[in-house]
Amino acid sequence: GQQLNQSPQSMFIQEGEDVSMNCTSSSIFNTWLWYKQDPGEGPVLLIALYKAGELTSNGRLTAQFGITRKDSFLNISASIPSDVGIYFCAGTISGNTPLVFGKGTRLSVIA
Amino acid sequence: DGGITQSPKYLFRKEGQNVTLSCEQNLNHDAMYWYRQDPGQGLRLIYYSQIVNDFQKGDIAEGYSVSREKKESFPLTVTSAQKNPTAFYLCASSSQAGRDNEQFFGPGTRLTVL
Repeated sequence: GQQLNQSPQSMFIQEGEDVSMNCTSSSIFNTWLWYKQDPGEGPVLLIALYKAGELTSNGRLTAQFGITRKDSFLNISASIPSDVGIYFCAGTISGNTPLVFGKGTRLSVIA
Repeated sequence: DGGITQSPKYLFRKEGQNVTLSCEQNLNHDAMYWYRQDPGQGLRLIYYSQIVNDFQKGDIAEGYSVSREKKESFPLTVTSAQKNPTAFYLCASSSQAGRDNEQFFGPGTRLTVL
């Protein structure tokens, strides 16, 4: 099945630093979603994007729906230890089509 | 509280045995999904159901079976035909009205086949 290219695969950063990660697709999507998964738990929805060019924030998190509709970006500002986890992007062309997930970006924060 | 429950959290089975994983939601969502997660592989779709008494195969349906007899329940059976069943299994649901792409996940079941 189709998969998204998510990068980087992993990141090690100092507490207080900003983080950027992105997802690209060979197909156009109408929806981009970003999830965070803590170890041994289910993913939690962070941000949903529905319009090309849309920029949406959720606290220290900001995500953008790329204007080409083939990519999306997630930024985390001033990282803290509880930001540790795996961040997944997901996208779909329509509500009747299942989400396609990236392989995740594993974030580690060094205090 | 509204949400998705999966039970049990940890499950151990002997090779060759079928095992059924439970998924229940009280969010009144129409659609439900089962994913398998292996280290470094992300989430892979096993089966999904958009309405009661109907379901479709996902990318890796071989060796699995599902049923959707009630709106709130979507159990997954891992059969003995599944060659590598040890994995973390996640159930999700979404509403078919409005923002129906937003899937909400349960806490997962970790299955270990010995």
